[in-house]
Amino acid sequence: NAGVMQNPRHLVRRRGQEARLRCSPMKGHSHVYWYRQLPEEGLKFMVYLQKENIIDESGMPKERFSAEFPKEGPSILRIQQVVRGDSAAYFCASSVAGGGRNEQFFGPGTRLTVL
Amino acid sequence: DAKTTQPPSMDCAEGRAANLPCNHSTISGNEYVYWYRQIHSQGPQYIIHGLKNNETNEMASLIITEDRKSSTLILPHATLRDTAVYYCIVRVANNAGNMLTFGGGTRLMVKP
Repeated sequence: NAGVMQNPRHLVRRRGQEARLRCSPMKGHSHVYWYRQLPEEGLKFMVYLQKENIIDESGMPKERFSAEFPKEGPSILRIQQVVRGDSAAYFCASSVAGGGRNEQFFGPGTRLTVL
Repeated sequence: DAKTTQPPSMDCAEGRAANLPCNHSTISGNEYVYWYRQIHSQGPQYIIHGLKNNETNEMASLIITEDRKSSTLILPHATLRDTAVYYCIVRVANNAGNMLTFGGGTRLMVKP
């Protein structure tokens, strides 16, 4: 059973470009979470999605960031017009269901570098 | 979710048990205690979780005090590969689907 998959593992963008990060949850998992880890800081929650629905986006920056989890295919975290401050590791996690009874399993992350 | 307090760092000799404490004195009756770890630059790894009873799996044991205000994660025979930051997290058990709130964690250094 493959774990959570993220791609690309490393992404380099110039200021003003768009970044697309992909996350394929574990088989049988329909709940996806995105977290961001800035250099030398802890992980911070960004957004929680189920298939075709955004459940909680309280941690998402108000501008330039969006996320989706379509009926088919991976979840996508999209960052428009990237700035240097967006450089970070972005981790995706999935769970079989929501709530505190269900553990989240993390992917290896995508390391975004903005030049 | 209740707040947790952990020591910022700990050392452990290879082969010995590592006992990582966590204080969660404001925990509610419907909140689980979770432990994750993050080995340098990797994604967080789920270790174990529990509600009231002590739990054990192939990675670790979780001991929760009777009043549930603190817990201890035990790695019975620490190896160098257990060097990581360990996070104790409290989560509400309802089905609303909630995020993990990572604090500073405990940086465990296993030494030869």
